[in-house]
This record gives sequence, C-alpha cells and structure tokens, in this order.
Amino acid sequence: RKEVEQDPGPFNVPEGATVAFNCTYSNSASQSFFWYRQDCRKEPKLLMSVYSSGNEDGRFTAQLNRASQYISLLIRDSKLSDSATYLCVVKRSGTYKYIFGTGTRLKVLA
Amino acid sequence: DTGVSQNPRHKITKRGQNVTFRCDPISEHNRLYWYRQTLGQGPEFLTYFQNEAQLEKSRLLSDRFSAERPKGSFSTLEIQRTEQGDSAMYLCASSPSGLAGWGAETQYFGPGTRLLVL
Repeated sequence: RKEVEQDPGPFNVPEGATVAFNCTYSNSASQSFFWYRQDCRKEPKLLMSVYSSGNEDGRFTAQLNRASQYISLLIRDSKLSDSATYLCVVKRSGTYKYIFGTGTRLKVLA
Repeated sequence: DTGVSQNPRHKITKRGQNVTFRCDPISEHNRLYWYRQTLGQGPEFLTYFQNEAQLEKSRLLSDRFSAERPKGSFSTLEIQRTEQGDSAMYLCASSPSGLAGWGAETQYFGPGTRLLVL
C-alpha cells in the first residue's frame, strides 16, 4: 500500500462547479500536509498548506482529519485555469522526506 | 529570474553512460531536495541537503546515484552507468529554513531536467 494515496481521476467538471479531492495517508506520524498544483509539463507549485483546524484561501479550502488520516481539498466556482494535477504531500516527523501522492487530474470544461 | 534553475533542461544519453545534472537553488535557501518524477506519478524523494550536508537519502537510490552540494549553494546529481529505467524528469527544489511557521517548509521547484536513456 502506498503511503499517500489519491484518486488519479480525471475529474471533468463544468465551469462554476464545486469539486472535492481526498487524499489518504497511512503513517500516523505524519506531521505536515500540503497541496501542490502541477500544470502539464511544468514543475509543482505550492497551492496551500493544510492546518489542523482547516484553512481557506479564496476559492480553495483544505481540511485535515487526523483520526481518519485523510486530507481534502475543495475548489469552489471552478475556473478553466484550475485545470491541473493536484498533488497531496505529506511529511513525517523526524524526517526531511516529503511523500507525494500520484496526483489527481482536474479538467474544468467550458 | 531568481527562482530555482536546473541545467540541462533535456538530456538524451545511451545506456551505460554517466550523466550529471546541476541545480542552482534560490539564493540563501539552505535546504535543497532532489526528486524523480515519471509519467503519471508524483515526485519521488531522492535526497536532501541542509547547506552542504546530505542529511537524508532515499533507500530507493541505488549506488549509481550520487549527489553533492560542496559549498552549500548549487548541487549536482550524477547517475553512473545509466539504465533505461532511469528515464524520468529530475526535479530540484529548495526552501528556506530558520523561519517560524509553515513558511520554512514551502518547497520551490525548478523546471526539471528531462532524461531519456536510449
């Protein structure tokens, strides 16, 4: 079983829709959580960190559920420019290693 | 451009040859990471440097891979006796440290070096 698992998608949604992605992690020692965005043939870029209490940045909301060991990303009012792969990233305490999920592909359709 | 830079951007080599890639992190970032990414997968951690010290290395990294960061600034990743399975995008990322809060852990990625082993 992979340490970080994501549904690869693709998720095809119309403009304006709300879409949610989940990511599960297997190691309970995981300490830090992030969502990165990667456009086709480009490098990953940080979208947002995920805080224990949940956090919001404009149309994007991230949640962490430590008991069930998953994090989620909610995108409201999807834009065409949101089309990308969304990577879930987890870091365990006591290590410098970041574990990336395989990514979830999102396509926002006009 | 003051972002992370990587050279070369593309490399085609024959099986058995050695290749070396360079990463120049953002100035004053003392944390540097190397990753490998293949099609349809997320980046896979290879190694981590804090200044010039290599503090963590993936067990997946075979003896054919070596990385250095001699002066705590740029880093090189060398692959010896390349194999077709080494074909991938090699990404470098840097981050600052010594900052409070989450900012210390944001990684800034370079554009990557795409390696094709024939």
